Amino acid sequence: AQSVTQLGSHVSVSEGALVLLRCNYSSSVPPYLFWYVQYPNQGLQLLLKYTSAATLVKGINGFEAEFKKSETSFHLTKPSAHMSDAAEYFCAVSAAGGYNKLIFGAGTRLAVHP
Amino acid sequence: EPEVTQTPSHQVTQMGQEVILRCVPISNHLYFYWYRQILGQKVEFLVSFYNNEISEKSEIFDDQFSVERPDGSNFTLKIRSTKLEDSAMYFCASSPGTGGLLAGNTIYFGEGSWLTVV
Repeated sequence: AQSVTQLGSHVSVSEGALVLLRCNYSSSVPPYLFWYVQYPNQGLQLLLKYTSAATLVKGINGFEAEFKKSETSFHLTKPSAHMSDAAEYFCAVSAAGGYNKLIFGAGTRLAVHP
Repeated sequence: EPEVTQTPSHQVTQMGQEVILRCVPISNHLYFYWYRQILGQKVEFLVSFYNNEISEKSEIFDDQFSVERPDGSNFTLKIRSTKLEDSAMYFCASSPGTGGLLAGNTIYFGEGSWLTVV
């Protein structure tokens, strides 16, 4: 079965610092991978997705993620954190076996302090 | 920008009561979904719907749950007899085109309906 592990339920960074949110997946077939963000009192918004094209994927708001098959990872990064980046971030993988659904990680809450 | 809208944003119901959560997917989308997130837990897939029928469902989606597209715009989730453990945020979602997620389409989520069963 496919699964997603997000290391660190809470991450805190200073404004202007590098953001690194970790995601590892398990999949028996080449996966599609996604990062979603949830701002307070809002729905899930797609940040970026990997669908077997370029391994370095650029998303909205300056975020990017790199697919590393050898490490089964899809970590999310942003060079310089803004206060507005404070939110919960979810990594997700498409399910194997032809299932048309996403499997989510537990989420990482990002705090940005001045 | 088109968005998925959900009503109500928050509902409190007594255990054993029926609840209907409503969603208006993005207008030209073909795949519809319900996910839920119990407080402090992962977002979980419940069901996907395509061409007026369920295409996939999870083990969570048992006989107390049903979905319907009663007209050309709404997509509903009905919980027949609510239990305390049904308390969660329920997300409706939609994706365009045939093939849904597997065709590389993006799933767009609504803001969620928070259900509290007391």
